[in-house]
Amino acid sequence: AQSVTQLGSHVSVSEGALVLLRCNYSSSVPPYLFWYVQYPNQGLQLLLKYTTGATLVKGINGFEAEFKKSETSFHLTKPSAHMSDAAEYFCAVSLSSNTGKLIFGQGTTLQVKP
Amino acid sequence: EPEVTQTPSHQVTQMGQEVILRCVPISNHLYFYWYRQILGQKVEFLVSFYNNEISEKSEIFDDQFSVERPDGSNFTLKIRSTKLEDSAMYFCASSDRGRPDTQYFGPGTRLTVL
Repeated sequence: AQSVTQLGSHVSVSEGALVLLRCNYSSSVPPYLFWYVQYPNQGLQLLLKYTTGATLVKGINGFEAEFKKSETSFHLTKPSAHMSDAAEYFCAVSLSSNTGKLIFGQGTTLQVKP
Repeated sequence: EPEVTQTPSHQVTQMGQEVILRCVPISNHLYFYWYRQILGQKVEFLVSFYNNEISEKSEIFDDQFSVERPDGSNFTLKIRSTKLEDSAMYFCASSDRGRPDTQYFGPGTRLTVL
């Protein structure tokens, strides 16, 4: 069965510093991988996704993620953190393109310090 | 930009009562989902719905739960007899035809069962 593990429930960075949020997945077949962001009192917003093709995926707000099959990872990065990036980030995996069921990690809260 | 909406934002109910959570998906979307997040835990898949029937459901989605698309715009989740452990944030999501892997989430309904 597929699963998702996000290392670190809380990550704190200084404004302008590199953001790295870690995600590892478990899957017996090629997965679809997603990062969602949740701002306070809002729904989950898609940041980026990997389905097939290029393993480096660029998303909104300057974020990107790289699918590494050998490491079963899909880490999210941003070169320079902004105060507005403070939010909760969720990694998710889907094996089924028919039903679209998503399996989520436990989430990582990103704090950005001035 | 089209968005998924959910009502109410917060629902308080007594144990054993029935609740109906409402969602208005994006208008041209055909795939609908419910997820829930118990405080401090992962976002969990409950059910997916397509072509007026359930396409997949999780173990959580037992006989106490039901979903319905009563008209062309609403998508509802009913819990027949609420339990304390049903207290959670419930998220509705929708996706468009041919790309069920890209889901758009609503802001959620916080259900509190007393």
